[in-house]
Order: sequence, then structure tokens, then C-alpha cells
Amino acid sequence: AQSVAQPEDQVNVAEGNPLTVKCTYSVSGNPYLFWYVQYPNRGLQFLLKYITGDNLVKGSYGFEAEFNKSQTSFHLKKPSALVSDSALYFCAVRDEAGGSYIPTFGRGTSLIVHP
Amino acid sequence: EPEVTQTPSHQVTQMGQEVILRCVPISNHLYFYWYRQILGQKVEFLVSFYNNEISEKSEIFDDQFSVERPDGSNFTLKIRSTKLEDSAMYFCASSPGTRVQYFGPGTRLTVT
Repeated sequence: AQSVAQPEDQVNVAEGNPLTVKCTYSVSGNPYLFWYVQYPNRGLQFLLKYITGDNLVKGSYGFEAEFNKSQTSFHLKKPSALVSDSALYFCAVRDEAGGSYIPTFGRGTSLIVHP
Repeated sequence: EPEVTQTPSHQVTQMGQEVILRCVPISNHLYFYWYRQILGQKVEFLVSFYNNEISEKSEIFDDQFSVERPDGSNFTLKIRSTKLEDSAMYFCASSPGTRVQYFGPGTRLTVT
């Protein structure tokens, strides 16, 4: 079985400060990990993915995420937050050994960047 | 950049009525999906479609739901007899392979 947890409903950060949105996962095999962002009244937009290779993955809009196998985490990070980064962020996981192509999404974390 | 499109953006219907939600996936994609998101809750998988047939479906996707690809471009989700609890945002997605999915802007379905 595959599952994902986003322990924070909301993250508040001041513009210009670094941000972290947390995600932990559970799979039987190797994980495929994804981050999506959802702006108000919009669909989910793909940010980045980890399939294999380097643990630090760089994605759109200056975001990056670090895959940590020992901690089963895939936290989303950005060195300097912008007010326009305020949105809902979803982590998703798919178990490579799970026999399904369908990812499981987390509940989402609302990121609020204050001017 | 090609995008997934969905129509209508908002659909209001009465309980018991049939609704059809429409999607145009990205043209060279092979896999198609429907998800829903009840207000304030997480994104839930409904069904995936590949090679003109359903490849996976969730427990939510019961006999009231059906999907169709009536031509080379559209992908539809039909709900035969809507219930109040079907009120949600419905997202269509498509993918060229089995990894990254690209989502449309969603259709907000309100059942009264």
C-alpha cells in the first residue's frame, strides 16, 4: 500500500525568507514522488518529481525538493519565498512495486507568504 | 504550451439528474484520468483510461459513473443520477506515459 502525509495544514512565511513544506510517505517498493501546486480556482500544476537519481530535485518557479530515503521524506523547499507562491501544495506518491499507475495525494498544505 | 481543457467550468444540477463533464486532454497523451476534490479535502482518484478502456478505478467509481472517449479528442465523465455528495471539483488529467499527470482547471459540480 502507498500513503503520503502532509503534517501541516498551513505554513506561513515572510516574503524573502526560505520556505519548507513537509511531506512523508510510505511504500513497499521504491517511491515515485511528486509535488503539485494549486492556485485558487485552478487545476493542479506539476512542480517536480523524483523517480531515481540525485536526491535533490529542481523544479518549476525556483522550487526544489529533497528525497530522504532514511526519513521517508520529500520536503518541498525554496530559498526565497514570493507572495505569488501563496497557494495549496500537494505531495503525491506512487509505489513502483504497487502494480498501479495511480498516485496517492496528500491532503494539501496551504502556503501563505506575507509581504 | 498545450494544456488540458475542461468544460463547463461550473455546473449546477438537481439531485437525480444526469451530468456530463467534458475534457480535452493534451493531444499526444495516451492515458486519461478523472479525479475529484470535495471542498477542503484531498484529491481523490476516480478512474483511469487507456487504449479505449478503463485501466483502473477506485471504490468511488460505482455504477453511477461512466467514462467515454467518443472521438479522438474528448474524454467525458457521466454521472447518471447525481447525489448531493457528488458536489465537488472534478479534475481531468492526461499523461504521455505512466508518470507525470497534467491536470485541467476543473469543473465545479454543485448538486442541489
